Amino acid sequence: GAGVSQTPSNKVTEKGKYVELRCDPISGHTALYWYRQSLGQGPEFLIYFQGTGAADDSGLPNDRFFAVRPEGSVSTLKIQRTERGDSAVYLCASSLGGTGSYNEQFFGPGTRLTVL
Amino acid sequence: KQEVTQIPAALSVPEGENLVLNCSFTDSAIYNLQWFRQDPGKGLTSLLLIQSSQREQTSGRLNASLDKSSGRSTLYIAASQPGDSATYLCAVDLYTSGTYKYIFGTGTRLKVLA
Repeated sequence: GAGVSQTPSNKVTEKGKYVELRCDPISGHTALYWYRQSLGQGPEFLIYFQGTGAADDSGLPNDRFFAVRPEGSVSTLKIQRTERGDSAVYLCASSLGGTGSYNEQFFGPGTRLTVL
Repeated sequence: KQEVTQIPAALSVPEGENLVLNCSFTDSAIYNLQWFRQDPGKGLTSLLLIQSSQREQTSGRLNASLDKSSGRSTLYIAASQPGDSATYLCAVDLYTSGTYKYIFGTGTRLKVLA
């Protein structure tokens, strides 16, 4: 697999439930990003990892959102007590370095989250 | 606050036309600018990345230019084809609050008619 992969591709949940979204970056990419995209909008930055650490989590909307990348490769975005307003496509991207180092970001296909 | 605007929001052209998509940004202190293509229900495909020191990049029928001083980038598509129909997004890599961050425009929805 040469590209960024995300699972599941679709997730339907009920309000108040907990969900986990997974991202497998391109092998060897140290930087990983999560974005959220609402219909008709561009992706909105959520969090950026450089290796295992969150270098910038300023885009997380509130403390119900949390992301981890324990071994510096796979990342999981976790959403607690989901709300209908969390419904969106969650996109993951990776790059060889980090932003600001002339590295292209490569995106996965996204996870479409629907909160009923 | 950095704002990225794309004009037009939607565009419909007959096959074979050359066309220009516009991206403007309010803060010229960007590091990179990247153009993406997004097909319905899909993720983003990188088309071109322009470093801040560059003025343009070319790939096949695509040419992207960057004018940092005026806060503008254009994506030129030559001899458009129906397969070019998609949403085109630009993103600027901006240094803010101690880190670099990608800020996206809202995209231009392109339809090329056969």
